[in-house]
Amino acid sequence: AQSVTQLDSHVSVSEGTPVLLRCNYSSSYSPSLFWYVQHPNKGLQLLLKYTSAATLVKGINGFEAEFKKSETSFHLTKPSAHMSDAAEYFCVVSGEDSSYKLIFGSGTRLLVRP
Amino acid sequence: EAGVAQSPRYKIIEKRQSVAFWCNPISGHATLYWYQQILGQGPKLLIQFQNNGVVDDSQLPKDRFSAERLKGVDSTLKIQPAKLEDSAVYLCASSYYNLPGLAGGETQYFGPGTRLLVL
Repeated sequence: AQSVTQLDSHVSVSEGTPVLLRCNYSSSYSPSLFWYVQHPNKGLQLLLKYTSAATLVKGINGFEAEFKKSETSFHLTKPSAHMSDAAEYFCVVSGEDSSYKLIFGSGTRLLVRP
Repeated sequence: EAGVAQSPRYKIIEKRQSVAFWCNPISGHATLYWYQQILGQGPKLLIQFQNNGVVDDSQLPKDRFSAERLKGVDSTLKIQPAKLEDSAVYLCASSYYNLPGLAGGETQYFGPGTRLLVL
């Protein structure tokens, strides 16, 4: 069965420093993978998605992620954190059955220090 | 383009009471999803509709939860009777269409959610 594991429940960085949010996935097939962001009291917003095209995926707000099949990883990065990046981030894999439902990780809360 | 609309935004009820949530997807989106997000966890799919038909309701507690999508547009999710463990945020999402050839690559757009507290 498909699953995702977000390796850190909390990540704290200083403004202007790089961000790394780690995600490992488990899937029998070549998966579709997503990163969503959730700001307090707001809906989930898609940051980026991988669907078997280029392995380096660029998203909104300067985020990018690299699909590494050999490591079954899909880590999210950003060169320089901004205060507005503070939020909850979810790594997501698409299901393999006919519903293609999204299976969410447990989330990583990003704190950005001034 | 208007996003996914949900109401109410907040609801407080006592256990054993009933409650209903409403969702209006993005215009033209054939697929609609209801997710439950318990505090500290990622969202979990409860039910998925394609137009007005159910695609997946395997994780819906059918003894107390029900959902419908009459006319293939907006949808309601009902809990009757509510339990303490139903306290969560209920998220609605929609996507244009689930094409098997895309292998699940369709983007889902989420509403702001309804925060339910059961006392």
